[in-house]
Amino acid sequence: LAKTTQPISMDSYEGQEVNITCSHNNIATNDYITWYQQFPSQGPRFIIQGYKTKVTNEVASLFIPADRKSSTLSLPRVSLSDTAVYYCLVGAMNYGGSQGNLIFGKGTKLSVKP
Amino acid sequence: NAGVTQTPKFQVLKTGQSMTLQCAQDMNHNSMYWYRQDPGMGLRLIYYSASEGTTDKGEVPNGYNVSRLNKREFSLRLESAAPSQTSVYFCASSEVGGASGGAFFGQGTRLTVV
Repeated sequence: LAKTTQPISMDSYEGQEVNITCSHNNIATNDYITWYQQFPSQGPRFIIQGYKTKVTNEVASLFIPADRKSSTLSLPRVSLSDTAVYYCLVGAMNYGGSQGNLIFGKGTKLSVKP
Repeated sequence: NAGVTQTPKFQVLKTGQSMTLQCAQDMNHNSMYWYRQDPGMGLRLIYYSASEGTTDKGEVPNGYNVSRLNKREFSLRLESAAPSQTSVYFCASSEVGGASGGAFFGQGTRLTVV
């Protein structure tokens, strides 16, 4: 599986846009990029997933450049409740075969201040 | 729709005791996973099961065994608990194929070994 590198921590203020970048230089052709959010004492929660270009849902946007060696999770207008750890995962998800393992890195601890 | 259910939520064991952590999912997912998370750390994969009837080691399998009882259930067994196994354990499940929508996590089992 492609190894990922993220900043250990980030600080922001309420109402700001936050962009968290993940590097995955060894991403394979059939790998997808998935981001999770984890609050203290809870299991991670799926945020967004993409393969290339841009994906947007009600929570976030995911930007993936053409070479796919990095990706950026964008959280618009964060609030205090967005304070959490954010994980970037890269892996293949193929029909009929082994999904492989989902390896989490250390993640990015986002602190949103009032 | 319960999603991923783990039992028990809390457990205290004495060194050398054995126990089984139970996990069940009702989303008809093929893949299931067991993770441990130590304080202030990211998740580490213990074992995973890509599909019913298969199991594979993850990053930290020593001291654990697993059983994929059927498509719904994936249990984790500690044969002889050690204080180093004090952690929060998370079970997860996911689908395979294309943009699978990520993995779903249980609420965790907080295990203390004294």
